[in-house]
Amino acid sequence: DADVTQTPRNRITKTGKRIMLECSQTKGHDRMYWYRQDPGLGLRLIYYSFDVKDINKGEISDGYSVSRQAQAKFSLSLESAIPNQTALYFCATSDFGGSFSTDTQYFGPGTRLTVL
Amino acid sequence: GQNIDQPTEMTATEGAIVQINCTYQTSGFNGLFWYQQHAGEAPTFLSYNVLDGLEEKGRFSSFLSRSKGYSYLLLKELQMKDSASYLCAVRSPYRTDKLIFGTGTRLQVFP
Repeated sequence: DADVTQTPRNRITKTGKRIMLECSQTKGHDRMYWYRQDPGLGLRLIYYSFDVKDINKGEISDGYSVSRQAQAKFSLSLESAIPNQTALYFCATSDFGGSFSTDTQYFGPGTRLTVL
Repeated sequence: GQNIDQPTEMTATEGAIVQINCTYQTSGFNGLFWYQQHAGEAPTFLSYNVLDGLEEKGRFSSFLSRSKGYSYLLLKELQMKDSASYLCAVRSPYRTDKLIFGTGTRLQVFP
């Protein structure tokens, strides 16, 4: 079984609809992240969470909200979707091993979202 | 400001060696990562450098020069399956541990 799962994998929706993307992990990591990827722009951080009570905005949080329901679950919501939110969305997790550890981020398979 | 530069595309021949460069200008540095990403799939971790020098892992090696803000990923004995995008990412030294990604280098390997 995959360590980081995302649902749905594909979603087509209309402008103005509310959408929730879900991420679950079995790696036991405290830290979770949401990114979006657009052609030519690379991966950009939307929100990140260091534990259930610690949620922080990334570089492009406008139009998005998140919820950390448990250590293993981190959801991303688009309250009122718009076409320029069409993108590939990735969830990632990492551990924290101290200042000099690798703390690699591990990515889920992605959700391809299309807003018409 | 934060800036990470990589070439957009590269091509190479099966069996050859290719070097993908990454230069960065960031407000702080706590390590540089290389990820591989096949089209439509998740990025997967390849290598991590925090100190100057070369890290070797099988066919892949990664080099870092912090004073020059420069890294490269070296792929040897190229295989068709190495056709993918290669993402360079710099980690912030602050509490956030955020990764700043370059736009990626798309590598095509031809027979």
